[in-house]
Formats: sequence, C-alpha cells, structure tokens
Amino acid sequence: SSELTQDPAVSVALGQTVRITCQGDTLRNFYASWYQQKPGQAPSLVFYGKNGRPSGIPDRISGSRSGNTASLTITGAQAEDEADYYCKSRDSNGNHVTFGGGTKLTVL
Amino acid sequence: QLQLQESGPGLVKPSETLSLTCSVSGASISSTSNYWAWIRQPPGKGLEWIGHVYYRGSTFYNPSLKSRLTMSVDTSKNQFSLRLSSVTAADTSLYFCARLDDVAALFYFDYWGPGILVTVSS
Repeated sequence: SSELTQDPAVSVALGQTVRITCQGDTLRNFYASWYQQKPGQAPSLVFYGKNGRPSGIPDRISGSRSGNTASLTITGAQAEDEADYYCKSRDSNGNHVTFGGGTKLTVL
Repeated sequence: QLQLQESGPGLVKPSETLSLTCSVSGASISSTSNYWAWIRQPPGKGLEWIGHVYYRGSTFYNPSLKSRLTMSVDTSKNQFSLRLSSVTAADTSLYFCARLDDVAALFYFDYWGPGILVTVSS
C-alpha cells in the first residue's frame, strides 16, 4: 500500500511533549519527511530522513522511525508549534510521492 | 536564497485546461540533484502530490491525474510548468510549486512557492 495514515488531530499542553505519528508500509523502506503548515501559508519542511533538520528549525523538533511508523516529536511544545503537520514519503514505486492526511496540532 | 513563484489564471472554466508556471530564482533549474514539483491542496483539505519533473524532461505523475497532466521545464527561463486538461470543480485547489531534493536517497520538498488559488467555475 502507498497510503500514509495520520491521526487527524492531536493536542498538547504548553511545554509538554507530543508525538505525531505516520503509518504506512512504504515507511519500512523509505524515510519520511515532515511539513508544518500554518493558516494561510505554504507548508515548510521541519524534518527529513534519519536526522535532517533544516536551518532555523529548533532541535526540540525531531523525527524517528520504527517499522512502518514514522514519528515527529516536539519536546516542550510552544504556542508557535500549533499548526497542521504532514508526513510524506516515496511510495512503493520509489519515484512517486505520497502524503499523509495531516494532523492538526493544538497547543493548550 | 532560492525562491519559487507560481503564476497563471485564478479562474478556469470546466472542461478547459489549467496552465500554471513556476518561476525559480536564486538557483538553477538545471541542478542535477533536484526535481521540480507541483502539489495541490483543495480548500480545507490535505496535500496532494501532482507530479514532478527533472530538468532534462523526465516526468513522474500521480496516477490519478496522469491522463490529464503534462509537465515541462524551460531551462532558458528557469521555469517549469503544469498543464491539467479537462478540469472540473474537483480541481479547484491551492496549487504549490516546490523543489524536490533528491540527495543520498532522501526525497524531500525543501522550498515551496506561496501557492496560487485556482477555481474551476463557469
């Protein structure tokens, strides 16, 4: 299957840790990348591969993979982390792309 | 700093062809380690990969759109383009262009344009 499954919504208390997950068979073979999208803005890359963090992304945002599940962990969530988060991977074809359905993160 | 900017009509009639261009500045579209992609997002919904193109012309399309889709690159203008034929209301979306970095087998969109809203309506 080329599908990636995400929980539609997750909430976290300010300053606490939250894990956003992405499940799919393709993740057994390919790393995920993660995108943050705030209202009215284009998505932006926040994590990729095993340990890739773009310039300007704080190290409290990290990624991991276990089996068919990729995770994005935000340690010490801040108000500015409230956004939609999408995972993305290659599909089984290898040259095609698939996105997860997105997770809306609310910081309480 | 690399920048991408989408351009094209914001309104397309049903059954006609949607045509968009993405202008790239701050980097060469002829980079050997990059593809150039289109992604769309229907209002209030998630992201959908449309396809991507290599500067030499190789294309990779979403199977669900493949029969209606054409992507191309103009290296002389540092631009790439999307044409989607026979559009319906279901094609109404915010369309993004993006750079797809393919280094060390990693595959991620590192730069995005701001997006352009295209509405299909008569």
